[in-house]
Amino acid sequence: DAKTTQPNSMESNEEEPVHLPCNHSTISGTDYIHWYRQLPSQGPEYVIHGLTSNVNNRMASLAIAEDRKSSTLILHRATLRDAAVYYCILRDWRSNDYKLSFGAGTTVTVRA
Amino acid sequence: NAGVTQTPKFQVLKTGQSMTLQCAQDMNHNSMYWYRQDPGMGLRLIYYSASEGTTDKGEVPNGYNVSRLNKREFSLRLESAAPSQTSVYFCASRKKGGLNTEAFFGQGTRLTVV
Repeated sequence: DAKTTQPNSMESNEEEPVHLPCNHSTISGTDYIHWYRQLPSQGPEYVIHGLTSNVNNRMASLAIAEDRKSSTLILHRATLRDAAVYYCILRDWRSNDYKLSFGAGTTVTVRA
Repeated sequence: NAGVTQTPKFQVLKTGQSMTLQCAQDMNHNSMYWYRQDPGMGLRLIYYSASEGTTDKGEVPNGYNVSRLNKREFSLRLESAAPSQTSVYFCASRKKGGLNTEAFFGQGTRLTVV
């Protein structure tokens, strides 16, 4: 499986944007880029996913590099509730097992 | 709408004891999954069930068995618990079909084996 690389941690101030990078230089043409986050003492929750084009939803935006070797999750205005571990995951859309390979992720701290 | 419900939320076992972790979803999802998360680490897939009546091994299946009782329920059994199975266990479900539908996770079962 193609792997992703994320910074261990990032800090942000409340109300400011947060840009979370993810490198995936060995991504294949059939890999979707998924982002999940895990709030303290909770199960992961889906944030966003994309293939080639940038994506927006109510939670965040996903910017995908033209060569698809990297992507950035953008939280437009961080709140204290956004403090969580964010996971960037590649998943081959042909796979039936939804084997999400969670790495260590990026721990986001939001300062009030 | 409860989503994915796991029971129990906490459990302490002695080495060699057995127990079953229960998971139920009310979203009419076809696929269900069991993951474990060790302290400070990401999640690892134990077993999954792509549809009712089927189960398959994930990355770390040793020491576990699963049962897809019906479309709603997917249980994980530890036949003889070991300290190495101390972890937080998460159940997830997903609607089959569609290229990349999201997974919904339960709140987790925190298991300690002493």
